[in-house]
Amino acid sequence: NAGVMQNPRHLVRRRGQEARLRCSPMKGHSHVYWYRQLPEEGLKFMVYLQKENIIDESGMPKERFSAEFPKEGPSILRIQQVVRGDSAAYFCASSPARGQLLGNIQYFGAGTRLSVL
Amino acid sequence: ELKVEQNPLFLSMQEGKNYTIYCNYSTTSDRLYWYRQDPGKSLESLFVLLSNGAVKQEGRLMASLDTKARLSTLHITAAVHDLSATYFCAPQARGDDKIIFGKGTRLHILP
Repeated sequence: NAGVMQNPRHLVRRRGQEARLRCSPMKGHSHVYWYRQLPEEGLKFMVYLQKENIIDESGMPKERFSAEFPKEGPSILRIQQVVRGDSAAYFCASSPARGQLLGNIQYFGAGTRLSVL
Repeated sequence: ELKVEQNPLFLSMQEGKNYTIYCNYSTTSDRLYWYRQDPGKSLESLFVLLSNGAVKQEGRLMASLDTKARLSTLHITAAVHDLSATYFCAPQARGDDKIIFGKGTRLHILP
């Protein structure tokens, strides 16, 4: 049973380019969360999605960032016109049920390390 | 908005010693998660604490939750080098789907 799969593991982009980060949840999981981690910092919540729905995007920057979780295929975090400040590790987590449910554990992928030149 | 404070942020200790990491949070929460992260790696779930007074133990690690004091602790007993990692606490506000991470405690255990 594969865990949460993220790709690519490392992504290098020049300023102004687009970055697409992919996340395939664990088998049987239909809830996906995206987090950003800066060096020496904790993880900052970005967005929570269920299949075809954005449930909570309170942590997403208002511009340039978007996320989707289509009916088929992985969840995508898209960053348009990247800037140096977007350089970070982006982690995806999945869970089998709604986040509010008692004991619902999030399982994390290995992360995508984005470097913006 | 739920705020989380961990301390210490960095801890260097000798093998064989005991120590405690503290996690304070600002609003009502009745569940809290502890995760471990090795450098350059993903996060591994350690404990899920679901009620006031909950205590969980795994090997040399023990976690507890006091929801009235809004405090969780992670206690390390007789530390060994393999426990060197960064430990994050992550409470979940009541009624919310997301969890909020502390800044992490970077634990370095000297042989």
